[in-house]
Amino acid sequence: SQTIHQWPATLVQPVGSPLSLECTVEGTSNPNLYWYRQAAGRGLQLLFYSVGIGQISSEVPQNLSASRPQDRQFILSSKKLLLSDSGFYLCAWSVRGSFSYNEQFFGPGTRLTVL
Amino acid sequence: EDQVTQSPEALRLQEGESSSLNCSYTVSGLRGLFWYRQDPGKGPEFLFTLYSAGEEKEKERLKATLTKKESFLHITAPKPEDSATYLCAVQFPPSYNQGGKLIFGQGTELSVKP
Repeated sequence: SQTIHQWPATLVQPVGSPLSLECTVEGTSNPNLYWYRQAAGRGLQLLFYSVGIGQISSEVPQNLSASRPQDRQFILSSKKLLLSDSGFYLCAWSVRGSFSYNEQFFGPGTRLTVL
Repeated sequence: EDQVTQSPEALRLQEGESSSLNCSYTVSGLRGLFWYRQDPGKGPEFLFTLYSAGEEKEKERLKATLTKKESFLHITAPKPEDSATYLCAVQFPPSYNQGGKLIFGQGTELSVKP
């Protein structure tokens, strides 16, 4: 069966510090990968998605970036955090197909607080 | 602009009191509609996928239905453990480079009291 991991689970960082959140998926190959942010425990905002190694699409211009160094690894980074970067960050995966896409499965999330 | 709207924002029920949650959308060419359950501090848990109008899916006390412009999540005889935020999401028409993006609604926070 497939499993998705995220770490760290919680993170408290000062404004201006760097950020690195990691997501890995087990039990599947060539997945689509996604980073979402959820503010105030409600709607999810898509930040980045990737359909393959080195292929990253950005949905929201901001000071965050994403990378996919390996097939099942997705990293969210920032060089300098802002207060507005606080939130609940979720990684998700879906089965990759050329013209049909399936449901997305989410990881446990990382709670980021920027002080 | 494509939008997904969920109502009500919050719903309080007594145990055993059946009700429905609504998800309406304006996405053109719907590819799929998804329902998720989210417990506080956790990632969303996948519940159902609906692809075409008239389709229905059931799981325990939950039943999801789909029309051309909205979906309903019916909760029959709910229990306190059904308390959670329920999210719906819609998927754009497929494109190889779009990765099956989802647009999420803001969610309905359901509370079931014993």
